[in-house]
Amino acid sequence: TQLLEQSPQFLSIQEGENLTVYCNSSSVFSSLQWYRQEPGEGPVLLVTVVTGGEVKKLKRLTFQFGDARKDSSLHITAAQPGDTGLYLCAGVHAGGTSYGKLTFGQGTILTVHP
Amino acid sequence: DTGVSQNPRHKITKRGQNVTFRCDPISEHNRLYWYRQTLGQGPEFLTYFQNEAQLEKSRLLSDRFSAERPKGSFSTLEIQRTEQGDSAMYLCASSFALAGLANTGELFFGEGSRLTVL
Repeated sequence: TQLLEQSPQFLSIQEGENLTVYCNSSSVFSSLQWYRQEPGEGPVLLVTVVTGGEVKKLKRLTFQFGDARKDSSLHITAAQPGDTGLYLCAGVHAGGTSYGKLTFGQGTILTVHP
Repeated sequence: DTGVSQNPRHKITKRGQNVTFRCDPISEHNRLYWYRQTLGQGPEFLTYFQNEAQLEKSRLLSDRFSAERPKGSFSTLEIQRTEQGDSAMYLCASSFALAGLANTGELFFGEGSRLTVL
């Protein structure tokens, strides 16, 4: 079973602070995605990383895929209250009968206080 | 196209009753996924379809759960003899992927159907 471990599970910070969320697995995924979810809504894709060592930036968000494609991180610079939400990493299964299936981590609940 | 649509958005039922959720995916999408999510946790995979074929079912999907996608368009998820442990948000997502290839693209999620079993 391919599992994704996210840490921390909860993060409560002040506006302007930086933070990093980690996503780790003992298995290799063909790609990894990060989603953000607000209460009462479905997850919305932020980014997909495919190549080991890849770094992608989305405004104040920086995403990194580990060289071995087993781990990833999300770094937010100068967090704002609007960043508050549930952040989810999800690995895409590469082959067999599970190809194309997404396995999600347990999520990180981020609260940014003004 | 208005995106993935799920209904009902909320369902409150008594233990032992049957419930059915419907998902209308984005029209050109050939893959449809069902996930279950409890509060503050990540979604757990239940099952997915490529067109009308159900390709995989999770062990979480007991024999009380059944999902169909009869014409490769909308899908239904039925839970029979509901239990309190079934209370959760049931999320549907769709995507387009070429058969035989891994899906590296985005999953588009609906807003979910929240089930409360009393």
